[in-house]
Amino acid sequence: GQQVMQIPQYQHVQEGEDFTTYCNSSTTLSNIQWYKQRPGGHPVFLIQLVKSGEVKKQKRLTFQFGEAKKNSSLHITATQTTDVGTYFCAGRAGTYKYIFGTGTRLKVLA
Amino acid sequence: DVKVTQSSRYLVKRTGEKVFLECVQDMDHENMFWYRQDPGLGLRLIYFSYDVKMKEKGDIPEGYSVSREKKERFSLILESASTNQTSMYLCASSHLALGLTDTQYFGPGTRLTVL
Repeated sequence: GQQVMQIPQYQHVQEGEDFTTYCNSSTTLSNIQWYKQRPGGHPVFLIQLVKSGEVKKQKRLTFQFGEAKKNSSLHITATQTTDVGTYFCAGRAGTYKYIFGTGTRLKVLA
Repeated sequence: DVKVTQSSRYLVKRTGEKVFLECVQDMDHENMFWYRQDPGLGLRLIYFSYDVKMKEKGDIPEGYSVSREKKERFSLILESASTNQTSMYLCASSHLALGLTDTQYFGPGTRLTVL
């Protein structure tokens, strides 16, 4: 079946270092979303990418959608302790449903 | 603000019990979803519903059923709970927004332990 894999599973960084998580789908996606889940919390929507090669920025966060629409990345510049959490990508699979990636848990050491 | 509420934050049940997890959203969303979250496996879709009384199986529907009698409420039922159903259960809702951003709004989750 359709799968969405994320790497790495865990990442520890020193505050101020950059961080990137990658998302790869076994099939072409019509769009991709990114969510952040703080420790003890629930996933919260960050952004949606639709077009091939699309790049969007939110302050220190940069999101990319691959040319083939099968992969995506989230890059955080100069991490802060508030960036701690698990980041999930979710690819649209059909009309209504999304397939979530396995998530990348980010720890930021002060 | 969109609000998705779930009936319990923590639940402990015994093997073989019938378990009901309730989810209510207040934004008139057409779509509702039930996921389970397990370490290293991310969020896996159990069932979803795109309209009242409509339901579709997700990726791991075995051992679960759902009910959507009213637009705002989506229930997940474990007919006979088993220990491998110990997990965090997350409900979500979204507008049907084809071609637009269909953000999923999540509830706080129910941590279910089956003994």
